[in-house]
Amino acid sequence: DAGVIQSPRHEVTEMGQEVTLRCKPISGHDYLFWYRQTMMRGLELLIYFNNNVPIDDSGMPEDRFSAKMPNASFSTLKIQPSEPRDSAVYFCASSLQGAYTQYFGPGTRLTVL
Amino acid sequence: GQQLNQSPQSMFIQEGEDVSMNCTSSSIFNTWLWYKQDPGEGPVLLIALYKAGELTSNGRLTAQFGITRKDSFLNISASIPSDVGIYFCAGQLRGPGAGSYQLTFGKGTKLSVIP
Repeated sequence: DAGVIQSPRHEVTEMGQEVTLRCKPISGHDYLFWYRQTMMRGLELLIYFNNNVPIDDSGMPEDRFSAKMPNASFSTLKIQPSEPRDSAVYFCASSLQGAYTQYFGPGTRLTVL
Repeated sequence: GQQLNQSPQSMFIQEGEDVSMNCTSSSIFNTWLWYKQDPGEGPVLLIALYKAGELTSNGRLTAQFGITRKDSFLNISASIPSDVGIYFCAGQLRGPGAGSYQLTFGKGTKLSVIP
């Protein structure tokens, strides 16, 4: 079975540009999580969805960040406008209701110049 | 919010040696998970622990869920070069209502194995 799929794997953009990161969770999983990883702060939960509904977005840094999950097999994380401090690796993870284990995608390395 | 203190931050060991790392928290967790992250990849689940006192093995890896539910350790026996990577502990505290599946992660232990 395919794992969590993320695209793009690498993104380099200039400050002020809009960035969209994409995620396809494992088929049948009904929880989807977006994380950000930096050297300074480690892995931080940004937002998570259950059955396509955002449950907790308290980790989203500011209004420049938004996330959507239009259906069970697709989610996006958008940053508009992007800033250099947004440079990080962004991970998507999914899990199955009642299972506490989360399965991570390979991540998107974002560099904002 | 909850914080996890993971130690050591890094370790250099000789191939064949055993490794031990641990995680402590000021909060009680219902689940402890251990992940490994290779460079350029996402974390991969190694072991999941669901009950206080539980001791679980996965090949050369052994992890335990502390009795107090505030700590966990991971041991790796007879290390090999492919054990190199960053090991993360994660705790989960299920919330009320529909349930909260949020994970709180430690900062990681970077393991280097000298052949």
